[in-house]
Amino acid sequence: DAKTTQPNSMESNEEEPVHLPCNHSTISGTDYIHWYRQLPSQGPEYVIHGLTSNVNNRMASLAIAEDRKSSTLILHRATLRDAAVYYCILRGFNAGGTSYGKLTFGQGTILTVHP
Amino acid sequence: DGGITQSPKYLFRKEGQNVTLSCEQNLNHDAMYWYRQDPGQGLRLIYYSQIVNDFQKGDIAEGYSVSREKKESFPLTVTSAQKNPTAFYLCASTVGGSSSYNEQFFGPGTRLTVL
Repeated sequence: DAKTTQPNSMESNEEEPVHLPCNHSTISGTDYIHWYRQLPSQGPEYVIHGLTSNVNNRMASLAIAEDRKSSTLILHRATLRDAAVYYCILRGFNAGGTSYGKLTFGQGTILTVHP
Repeated sequence: DGGITQSPKYLFRKEGQNVTLSCEQNLNHDAMYWYRQDPGQGLRLIYYSQIVNDFQKGDIAEGYSVSREKKESFPLTVTSAQKNPTAFYLCASTVGGSSSYNEQFFGPGTRLTVL
């Protein structure tokens, strides 16, 4: 799996937007960009994913660079409940059953949200 | 409500004992996974199963064993051969196949401590 690089930690104030960056310079053309987050002492939860175009859902937005070598997860208005570790993960397209859906987690970005 | 349950939440065992962690899902998912997480680290894949009666080793399978006799159940046994078993164990599942865009659903985790 291609590697991703994220800052170790970021801080934000409540109600402000948060931009969490991820570099993935070795991404292949068929790799999807996934984001998961993990609250303390809980299992990770899916946030969003994308391939080439920017994506929006109820939790966040994903902005993907034109060359796909980087992406940014955007939380439009941070709340205290958004304090978590955010993981940026690349997942290859399953061709011929060679990809078994494994998620390769790095260390992620610890997001601290201040009241 | 559909979801994944893991039990127990906390587990203590004496060195040299085998212990089995439970994972059950009622999401009708074909694929199930076991991950291990050490403090401050991302998740690492132990075993995965794409279908009933079939499973494969992940990146760190030594000292662990699994079974998949029923679609909804994927128990993990931590054997005495696992040299450093104290960790947070997470079970996950996803819909059939291993498409790169299928969301993985995680259970709440079991924290195992070896005394």
